[in-house]
Amino acid sequence: ETGVTQTPRHLVMGMTNKKSLKCEQHLGHNAMYWYKQSAKKPLELMFVYNFKEQTENNSVPSRFSPECPNSSHLFLHLHTLQPEDSALYLCASSRSGQIKGEQFFGPGTRLTVL
Amino acid sequence: AQTVTQSQPEMSVQEAETVTLSCTYDTSESDYYLFWYKQPPSRQMILVIRQEAYKQQNATENRFSVNFQKAAKSFSLKISDSQLGDAAMYFCAYRSTAGGTSYGKLTFGQGTILTVHP
Repeated sequence: ETGVTQTPRHLVMGMTNKKSLKCEQHLGHNAMYWYKQSAKKPLELMFVYNFKEQTENNSVPSRFSPECPNSSHLFLHLHTLQPEDSALYLCASSRSGQIKGEQFFGPGTRLTVL
Repeated sequence: AQTVTQSQPEMSVQEAETVTLSCTYDTSESDYYLFWYKQPPSRQMILVIRQEAYKQQNATENRFSVNFQKAAKSFSLKISDSQLGDAAMYFCAYRSTAGGTSYGKLTFGQGTILTVHP
């Protein structure tokens, strides 16, 4: 248990559905991240939040909409996804400003888009 | 932009033996951090070891050690006395110390699946 939880662990959705992924960290961190992990590809950073402010959007399509209401919670709202968006979505957190500090990862949400 | 390459999609090792996972990276920066992360089948990624580029001494953590060759931009992970619990996907990652939008950003390699045979 690393202190970062994600729900749901598995999600199957149609292309017209709207769903949300949730991440919560209990480590007192103030930076949170969304990553996409596809088979045979490196982890792709999607979004970064520092102190609830979005500091990085890695050219992510607008059908992915992040929300960070406070430093402990991070959401990823999904709508009109494509089958190629099927992947493992990982959330991570760290202490902002501690460059050598590690990122702590959640277990991920396995997303399947039909 | 930095890139990280892991050229071994899969590796296997016998229990109690030693295995080395390779990682190379490309950067124009002189100061940065390198990491090895482990992702077991349960999928929760955990940090294995960290190396600061300004340190010449190779990092070690119990049975895990790195061979950091800064000039060659190589960062391999050696696992000694391999155990069944070491079976996982291993990711090499690079972290810039530069400011701006790159600050704190981790760039990952493609990963190496390690199988440990009893």
